[in-house]
Amino acid sequence: AQSVTQLDSHVSVSEGTPVLLRCNYSSSYSPSLFWYVQHPNKGLQLLLKYTSAATLVKGINGFEAEFKKSETSFHLTKPSAHMSDAAEYFCVVRITSGTYKYIFGTGTRLKVLA
Amino acid sequence: DGGITQSPKYLFRKEGQNVTLSCEQNLNHDAMYWYRQDPGQGLRLIYYSQIVNDFQKGDIAEGYSVSREKKESFPLTVTSAQKNPTAFYLCASLQGSGNQPQHFGDGTRLSIL
Repeated sequence: AQSVTQLDSHVSVSEGTPVLLRCNYSSSYSPSLFWYVQHPNKGLQLLLKYTSAATLVKGINGFEAEFKKSETSFHLTKPSAHMSDAAEYFCVVRITSGTYKYIFGTGTRLKVLA
Repeated sequence: DGGITQSPKYLFRKEGQNVTLSCEQNLNHDAMYWYRQDPGQGLRLIYYSQIVNDFQKGDIAEGYSVSREKKESFPLTVTSAQKNPTAFYLCASLQGSGNQPQHFGDGTRLSIL
């Protein structure tokens, strides 16, 4: 069965320092993985996706994620945090079956300190 | 611009009332979804539809109903049987291949009066 675990519910960083948001997944098959960002009272915006191409995936706003099969991880990183990065982030895995269903992690709230 | 429109942004329900949340997309996507979001719980799937006139229950369908009469529309009704309806509701759509990401609307916040 597929599942996704976001290891930190809250992360605080200072502006200009690196960001690391951790995600582990479980999947019987080669997974499709996604990271989304959500600002308050808004929908989810896609940051990046992994679909079995390059293991290092670059996304919008300077974010990137590395797919590590041996560690079943898909951590999200950014070299230098900006105040506008403060939001909630979701790691998502697609269920590999005939139906198009997605499993969402419980989210990581990123706080950026001035 | 193509996208997903959810309305209203805020909705209030009295005890015993049914309410309907609207979701319209002009992306020409085949599949549409409804999720419920509660603090600290991520998104939970209520219903989804892969094609017009067909839909399936998700993980928390009890107390909800949907219809898919048109490709671009997927309204969600929160019935009086849903005992704890206060939540943020998100609609999403998906084109074709499951490797593609879902696109989301901006949500509807439902509260009980």
